[in-house]
Amino acid sequence: NAGVTQTPKFQVLKTGQSMTLQCAQDMNHEYMSWYRQDPGMGLRLIHYSVGAGITDQGEVPNGYNVSRSTTEDFPLRLLSAAPSQTSVYFCASSLLIGQGRGGYTFGSGTRLTVV
Amino acid sequence: AQKVTQAQTEISVVEKEDVTLDCVYETRDTTYYLFWYKQPPSGELVFLIRRNSFDEQNEISGRYSWNFQKSTSSFNFTITASQVVDSAVYFCALSGENTDKLIFGTGTRLQVFP
Repeated sequence: NAGVTQTPKFQVLKTGQSMTLQCAQDMNHEYMSWYRQDPGMGLRLIHYSVGAGITDQGEVPNGYNVSRSTTEDFPLRLLSAAPSQTSVYFCASSLLIGQGRGGYTFGSGTRLTVV
Repeated sequence: AQKVTQAQTEISVVEKEDVTLDCVYETRDTTYYLFWYKQPPSGELVFLIRRNSFDEQNEISGRYSWNFQKSTSSFNFTITASQVVDSAVYFCALSGENTDKLIFGTGTRLQVFP
């Protein structure tokens, strides 16, 4: 049982570069989400998805793009990296409410630095 | 709108002291779910507990206990006889019956000194 796998674990980008943070889960969870964690601000929701082909914005979506072509994968794209996007990113998945509210499983995080 | 408030930014205690981490939430949902997560210095998020809104029983797990009070919209977390290994950031979080989104508080950093 791999759970939620995030890659890469660390990344340094130059301002203006683009990249994709990968997130994959093997628990057949319909719900997947991305958070960013910044000092003193907790975890803030960027984007989320309730199933393949369905995505929606969270609290801080600007500068990020997502797609959900399969149940297993939920990549997060930074279109043009900015220093303000320096953060730790977490992917999380869970069953949907209608499937029984369980816990949320988190990946181990990606530490991104934009210089 | 849903909101979670953890007013304590940082708490420092000496080993073997008891410590309570406060969590106050806001929601209009009738059914909702409350969570606590631990984030040790290594950075991963460790699930501690999930509580349904219709179950107001307090829970104890070893040195950990949780006090859920609907009347004050609080879900406080107590560590009894704290240990150095309890040093971490602790997050309270909320999800509702009408959304799968999980909303976090800003976290409380607990430092336990030997």
